[in-house]
Amino acid sequence: DAKTTQPNSMESNEEEPVHLPCNHSTISGTDYIHWYRQLPSQGPEYVIHGLTSNVNNRMASLAIAEDRKSSTLILHRATLRDAAVYYCILRRGGTSYGKLTFGQGTILTVHP
Amino acid sequence: DAGVIQSPRHEVTEMGQEVTLRCKPISGHNSLFWYRQTMMRGLELLIYFNNNVPIDDSGMPEDRFSAKMPNASFSTLKIQPSEPRDSAVYFCASRGQAQETQYFGPGTRLLVL
Repeated sequence: DAKTTQPNSMESNEEEPVHLPCNHSTISGTDYIHWYRQLPSQGPEYVIHGLTSNVNNRMASLAIAEDRKSSTLILHRATLRDAAVYYCILRRGGTSYGKLTFGQGTILTVHP
Repeated sequence: DAGVIQSPRHEVTEMGQEVTLRCKPISGHNSLFWYRQTMMRGLELLIYFNNNVPIDDSGMPEDRFSAKMPNASFSTLKIQPSEPRDSAVYFCASRGQAQETQYFGPGTRLLVL
């Protein structure tokens, strides 16, 4: 599976936008880019995913570089509840099993 | 929808004892995944099932670990005998066919003394 690289930690202030970067230079054409987050003492939670085009949902936006070698998860207005570990994951397309390989993720701290 | 249900939520046992973790996936989902999370190794995939059939168990650490899915609504992960290094949080997740999203349960926190 192709690997992703994320900063170990980032900090933000409440109500400000947050841009979480992810590098995946060895991504293949069939790899989907997934983001999950894990709040303290909880299981991981799906945030967003995309293949080639930018994506928006109620939680966040996903900006994918034109060459697909990097992507950015955008939280438009961070709240204290967004403090979590954010995982950027590549899932190989072409199979129906949905195997995900988690890295170390980015610890996001949100300051009041 | 109740989401993925795991039991027990917490388990404390002594080394050498058998431990059984249970998971009920979301109704209608046909893929089920078992993960283990520790501070040292992060979140690791142990095994996953599709339509009740184990597809990839390469993440199972050793023969002491076994997993079954006798039907679409129930799976178990068994450790026999348990060891202190098995202490971790074990998550179960499920996914519907042709869906991208995995839904995780709340986890079982296992402590082996």
